[in-house]
Amino acid sequence: GAVVSQHPSRVICKSGTSVKIECRSLDFQATTMFWYRQFPKQSLMLMATSNEGSKATYEQGVEKDKFLINHASLTLSTLTVTSAHPEDSSFYICSAIPLGQYEQYFGPGTRLTVT
Amino acid sequence: DQQVKQNSPSLSVQEGRISILNCDYTNSMFDYFLWYKKYPAEGPTFLISISSIKDKNEDGRFTVFLNKSAKHLSLHIVPSQPGDSAVYFCAASAESGGTSYGKLTFGQGTILTVHP
Repeated sequence: GAVVSQHPSRVICKSGTSVKIECRSLDFQATTMFWYRQFPKQSLMLMATSNEGSKATYEQGVEKDKFLINHASLTLSTLTVTSAHPEDSSFYICSAIPLGQYEQYFGPGTRLTVT
Repeated sequence: DQQVKQNSPSLSVQEGRISILNCDYTNSMFDYFLWYKKYPAEGPTFLISISSIKDKNEDGRFTVFLNKSAKHLSLHIVPSQPGDSAVYFCAASAESGGTSYGKLTFGQGTILTVHP
């Protein structure tokens, strides 16, 4: 099956610093990846669509300058949370769609805690 | 505005019985629906999907039913097993919208507990 990995799985950072989260498709190529965040006991909320070789598309209310997305290759997308604040603490999950397929495959998620 | 709703936060079922998880949506543009299973601190795992041109899709113990007129879908798991205990999310997408390809809107999730 299609496997998506995320790194790191858990990160704690101080307020004001930046954190980079990687999302990799391990055994397939994906022109499109998605970034979601999930607050405790809430639904997954789509943050942005990451397109290989082009700018990401952000959902309404998501600050593109705060959540920088880079999709440099067909197997890697990165999300950088810049100048993180405690309210950015959340569970960040990426997903990818294999070329020519339809279903999304999700990564295991990254727990970000900003102190 | 919650476009996809799972009104039951939790469901408890005895092993061997049927589990029925429900989901309602409001956006009539949604034409593709999916169910995901999720364990704590893990990403969702795809279970089953259905296109709006169908009203039923079956895969092993899992069956999804779609009632477009009622904007309602349900996931049936039979027989239920203790290993099915997890959070189940329904998700919807408006694929025919072109630019919306792949963008999923999730429900709040239902915690399923299957007792031995």
